Amino acid sequence: KQEVTQIPAALSVPEGENLVLNCSFTDSAIYNLQWFRQDPGKGLTSLLLIQSSQREQTSGRLNASLDKSSGRSTLYIAASQPGDSATYLCAVRSNDYKLSFGAGTTVTVRA
Amino acid sequence: DAGVIQSPRHEVTEMGQEVTLRCKLISGHNSLFWYRQTMMRGLELLIYFNNNVPIDDSGMPEDRFSAKMPNASFSTLKIQPSEPRDSAVYFCASSFDQGRGGYTFGSGTRLTVV
Repeated sequence: KQEVTQIPAALSVPEGENLVLNCSFTDSAIYNLQWFRQDPGKGLTSLLLIQSSQREQTSGRLNASLDKSSGRSTLYIAASQPGDSATYLCAVRSNDYKLSFGAGTTVTVRA
Repeated sequence: DAGVIQSPRHEVTEMGQEVTLRCKLISGHNSLFWYRQTMMRGLELLIYFNNNVPIDDSGMPEDRFSAKMPNASFSTLKIQPSEPRDSAVYFCASSFDQGRGGYTFGSGTRLTVV
């Protein structure tokens, strides 16, 4: 069974600082990995999708890397803003179609 | 595209009542997941459909839960009878070709059973 772990569970940084969010998974036989953002009381918004054959994906201030062999992905958010405050979830799609989620990292960016 | 549409957004019901949650997939998507989210357990997969066929319902907690896809674009999740421990946010997510292009989630239904 795929286990997904996200560290740290919570993070508080001053505005302007870069954010580094970590995701690890136990079974490297994955199809793709997706990072989501969830605001309080809201649904999940997709941020980045990395296929298993890719090493990284970028969108604006966001960059996600994938090291499948070591079972790790990292989400980098450059020059954080208060609007980046949310919970960030890592989801791994295994080869058997199942999508497994980590517990998330709750980010607070202080103005 | 309007995205994945869930209804109702909020539902408050009394214990023992039947509850039906609804989900409309994105046009062209053929895979559907139902998830439940609680503070204690995070996101739990309840059931997965592909091309209208239930593939894996091992996450459905009890026989009180049932899910259907009467057509390619619509799904329902029914709880009968409901219990207070069913209180959670229920999400559906759809994708094309079993998630090759990623998954799109609906805004969720917040269910409170009193």
